[in-house]
Amino acid sequence: EVQLVESGGGLVKPGGSLRLSCAASGFTFSTYTMNWVRQAPGKGLEWVSSISSSSSYIYYADSVKGRFTISRDNAKNSLSLQMNSLRAEDTAVYYCARASDYMDVWGKGTTVTVSS
Amino acid sequence: EIVLTQSPDFQSVTPKEKVTITCRASQSIGSSLHWYQQKPDQSPKLLIKYASQSISGVPSRFSGSGSGTDFTLTINSLEAEDAATYYCHQSSSLPRTFGQGTKVEIK
Repeated sequence: EVQLVESGGGLVKPGGSLRLSCAASGFTFSTYTMNWVRQAPGKGLEWVSSISSSSSYIYYADSVKGRFTISRDNAKNSLSLQMNSLRAEDTAVYYCARASDYMDVWGKGTTVTVSS
Repeated sequence: EIVLTQSPDFQSVTPKEKVTITCRASQSIGSSLHWYQQKPDQSPKLLIKYASQSISGVPSRFSGSGSGTDFTLTINSLEAEDAATYYCHQSSSLPRTFGQGTKVEIK
């Protein structure tokens, strides 16, 4: 079964850091571009970052550029998002999603809450 | 940044009725437009890729059309299980963007 499982969410104070992980299974992870997409409470979907299959191409939304770092370990079928200098507006459910163009596989998400 | 504007924001529909949701892009994106369904407390699910291509396992009552700047998602003969929020998404350029969503409620 094709599956993505996120972990690492939690409650963090403004200015703090958190590292999210996404474990992939059931498909050849190393051949796919991967993405992080977030959804603030009661809001719509916002693309956060993407990384190509070999990590050659990495892109970020302006809202997280310079604070978040995406990475992957193809040997471990794992995707990560290092989030630093967190702000209240980063509070959201974070999904990892498989995609080059359309996002055809999504995880269930992990919740990040930034609050003092 | 390409802005995607969906209409309507909300629609209340009776079962078996036809639903039409539109998505307008701020500039031409060819057919690089995809549709997702998100039910409460669930992750999004891909419904349509590249404007009109069907997805295996998705009921045939869901269809898409359009190109350039104007796109449509149609749900023929709405069923109770179709209550959800629907999003369009463009992959023509970075940053990837989504429409604001259209919530479909069953009367």
